[in-house]
Amino acid sequence: DVKVTQSSRYLVKRTGEKVFLECVQDMDHENMFWYRQDPGLGLRLIYFSYDVKMKEKGDIPEGYSVSREKKERFSLILESASTNQTSMYLCASNPQANTYEQYFGPGTRLTVT
Amino acid sequence: AQRVTQPEKLLSVFKGAPVELKCNYSYSGSPELFWYVQYSRQRLQLLLRHISRESIKGFTADLNKGETSFHLKKPFAQEEDSAMYYCALNVRAQKLVFGQGTRLTINP
Repeated sequence: DVKVTQSSRYLVKRTGEKVFLECVQDMDHENMFWYRQDPGLGLRLIYFSYDVKMKEKGDIPEGYSVSREKKERFSLILESASTNQTSMYLCASNPQANTYEQYFGPGTRLTVT
Repeated sequence: AQRVTQPEKLLSVFKGAPVELKCNYSYSGSPELFWYVQYSRQRLQLLLRHISRESIKGFTADLNKGETSFHLKKPFAQEEDSAMYYCALNVRAQKLVFGQGTRLTINP
């Protein structure tokens, strides 16, 4: 059974703080993704990675960076959190050979005050 | 531009009634489309994809290239179908573009 875990279910941070969101998958998947989920806007891709140390910008990368030092772990970094980054963040993964089904984590609800 | 549009944010139907969740797409290539679902307090998960032409939990979706649509249908809604539904388009290897989502509520 595919398992994607995220480090926190809820997180509250202050404006200007550096924030790390962690995602781990246990299925040896090559591809990992970070989305934010907002009502009325759906899911929007922030960054994705198709291999260790490889990353590619998604549709809304501004204000975010990522790190993939190990295959199983993909971190999303908010260099200086702002209130407009308050959102639900979803991590997903899939194997290189599978181009359609992405396996999602439970999400991290981040509030920036 | 590559885009997925779900025109209804909210949809409410009675149990036993037919359900149709609309999805329209804009894509220059040969589209690969999916429906994902998120039940309350559960993870987002794949419901079905157009190339498999399968029925999952009584839901079907037909790709209509002429109308650039991929509407999700079920003839008789059940209360457990209440969830958030997202239509998604594979725009290139590994990259999905999601629609805005439709929250479906089935009334008893």
